[in-house]
Amino acid sequence: RKEVEQDPGPFNVPEGATVAFNCTYSNSASQSFFWYRQDCRKEPKLLMSVYSSGNEDGRFTAQLNRASQYISLLIRDSKLSDSATYLCVVTTNTGNQFYFGTGTSLTVIP
Amino acid sequence: DAGITQSPRHKVTETGTPVTLRCHQTENHRYMYWYRQDPGHGLRLIHYSYGVKDTDKGEVSDGYSVSRSKTEDFLLTLESATSSQTSVYFCAISGDKNYGYTFGSGTRLTVV
Repeated sequence: RKEVEQDPGPFNVPEGATVAFNCTYSNSASQSFFWYRQDCRKEPKLLMSVYSSGNEDGRFTAQLNRASQYISLLIRDSKLSDSATYLCVVTTNTGNQFYFGTGTSLTVIP
Repeated sequence: DAGITQSPRHKVTETGTPVTLRCHQTENHRYMYWYRQDPGHGLRLIHYSYGVKDTDKGEVSDGYSVSRSKTEDFLLTLESATSSQTSVYFCAISGDKNYGYTFGSGTRLTVV
């Protein structure tokens, strides 16, 4: 079983819509959680960390559910510029290795 | 982000030739990583380093070797390039796993 699994999408949503992505992880000892954004033919860039209490950054909200072993990303009021692939990333409490999901593709349509 | 650079950005090479990719950082981070990214597979770890001369294998290390003789440089060598190694290669650095990775801009390698 993969360490991290994501629905690859694609998600095609109109401007202004709210869209949510989920990501599940298999290791209950996972310690740190992140969402990355990757634009076409570019490197992944850190979007936000995910904290146990949940956290918000503008239109973006990240949640962690340890009991069910998933993290989520909610994007409100979608913009055309939000079109990208969103990767969830998990680390464990041993070593310094990061495990990546395969990414969820989002296209925001005018 | 100027803290990490990869070279070359693009390379075309012939099957059977050795190829070396370079990752250079100016952040003095302890951890450095090499990934490859292919459609349908996402990012897969090739090798990583947790200090000078300290390296370890990742998920897809066969056919690759690495060296880290200085904190700032992490080299990835394809010992005898094959067409299956055509990919986009990303280097990443990390000072603390609680703060995530920073990626380089990638190297697009084509083996013909």
